[in-house]
Amino acid sequence: RKEVEQDPGPFNVPEGATVAFNCTYSNSASQSFFWYRQDCRKEPKLLMSVYSSGNEDGRFTAQLNRASQYISLLIRDSKLSDSATYLCAVNWNTDKLIFGTGTRLQVFP
Amino acid sequence: EPEVTQTPSHQVTQMGQEVILRCVPISNHLYFYWYRQILGQKVEFLVSFYNNEISEKSEIFDDQFSVERPDGSNFTLKIRSTKLEDSAMYFCASSNRGVNYEQYFGPGTRLTVT
Repeated sequence: RKEVEQDPGPFNVPEGATVAFNCTYSNSASQSFFWYRQDCRKEPKLLMSVYSSGNEDGRFTAQLNRASQYISLLIRDSKLSDSATYLCAVNWNTDKLIFGTGTRLQVFP
Repeated sequence: EPEVTQTPSHQVTQMGQEVILRCVPISNHLYFYWYRQILGQKVEFLVSFYNNEISEKSEIFDDQFSVERPDGSNFTLKIRSTKLEDSAMYFCASSNRGVNYEQYFGPGTRLTVT
């Protein structure tokens, strides 16, 4: 099983739609979790950290399910500018972030 | 908003040549990282650096690679003898709190080895 797994997509959604992505991780000792956004040929940009209690930032909501070893990202009221690849990253008490391959989102008018 | 910066944005080099990729981390950050991303693949950890020494490295980071913090602001990655398979995007990242905390990435250097 891969360390961090994501559905590559693409997820094609109309503007205004709600879309959700999941990311599963294999190491139950994983300590911290992040969602990054990556535009084509650009750097990963931190979108949000994912806390045990879940967290929300505007239209974005992240959840952690430790029992099932996955994190999720929900985007409400999708905008054209949300089109990007969403990377899940996991850290298990070491320096390195382990990234998934990303889920591509395309929002159309 | 403070940012990680990297130079050059694109480097073309011939196989066997040495390259140095440069990064200026966010100024109050103490933990520095290099990652790479081969086109179409996932972002992969190379090395972390804290308190003037390597704290962790991956199996990719072999003897051909080295890192240095030559002064109070720069953080460099050197590849001694480049191979074709070193062609990738190299991202520098920094963090102010280290393990388990957020890492902020620079815009990357695209390395092309011919």
